[in-house]
Amino acid sequence: NAGVMQNPRHLVRRRGQEARLRCSPMKGHSHVYWYRQLPEEGLKFMVYLQKENIIDESGMPKERFSAEFPKEGPSILRIQQVVRGDSAAYFCASSPGTGDYNSPLHFGNGTRLTVT
Amino acid sequence: AQSVAQPEDQVNVAEGNPLTVKCTYSVSGNPYLFWYVQYPNRGLQFLLKYITGDNLVKGSYGFEAEFNKSQTSFHLKKPSALVSDSALYFCAVRDGPFGGYQKVTFGTGTKLQVIP
Repeated sequence: NAGVMQNPRHLVRRRGQEARLRCSPMKGHSHVYWYRQLPEEGLKFMVYLQKENIIDESGMPKERFSAEFPKEGPSILRIQQVVRGDSAAYFCASSPGTGDYNSPLHFGNGTRLTVT
Repeated sequence: AQSVAQPEDQVNVAEGNPLTVKCTYSVSGNPYLFWYVQYPNRGLQFLLKYITGDNLVKGSYGFEAEFNKSQTSFHLKKPSALVSDSALYFCAVRDGPFGGYQKVTFGTGTKLQVIP
């Protein structure tokens, strides 16, 4: 299955710890998007990355959150010093590439972060 | 700024009856519109899209959507609902074309419950 792969599926962290969420895009895709889903709030855009480049981080909180998509390896969403309000489902999506903005996004099954 | 609204948090329909899930949008240019479905504990799956052309778009699993420019709507429809259609449905919009990146904005989702 060459779909979008996210791991872990479930992640439990205590307040103050760091959370690292990984996303491998669909084969042949070079663009990655991260979204956060909270009940009653729908899907909130966080960040859009190409390999080694952040294109749009307008949805990322200014503190504690960072994202990267290195030349080799998966995209990483990193949350430092987690708080209970960070508990949510985090989804990664990928798309083919520049100029192909009409293509639908392909989503992974998400990482469910629980902060205790 | 682009936006999308799904006015109904939940839609209930009897199995075999037609269903409609509503979506309205706001963009500066021409809208690129998408519908996605999410089953429990899964990521979003693409159903259909409107870019240009016929106002009635057909998609996966017997779903279709009607683009109405004057009403800025893109309602999702199906002639005969199945219990297996019960899921969370998201409408999404991308503003364009501007020849470059435009992020996708999602609605808050509508829970469809098909009653046997």
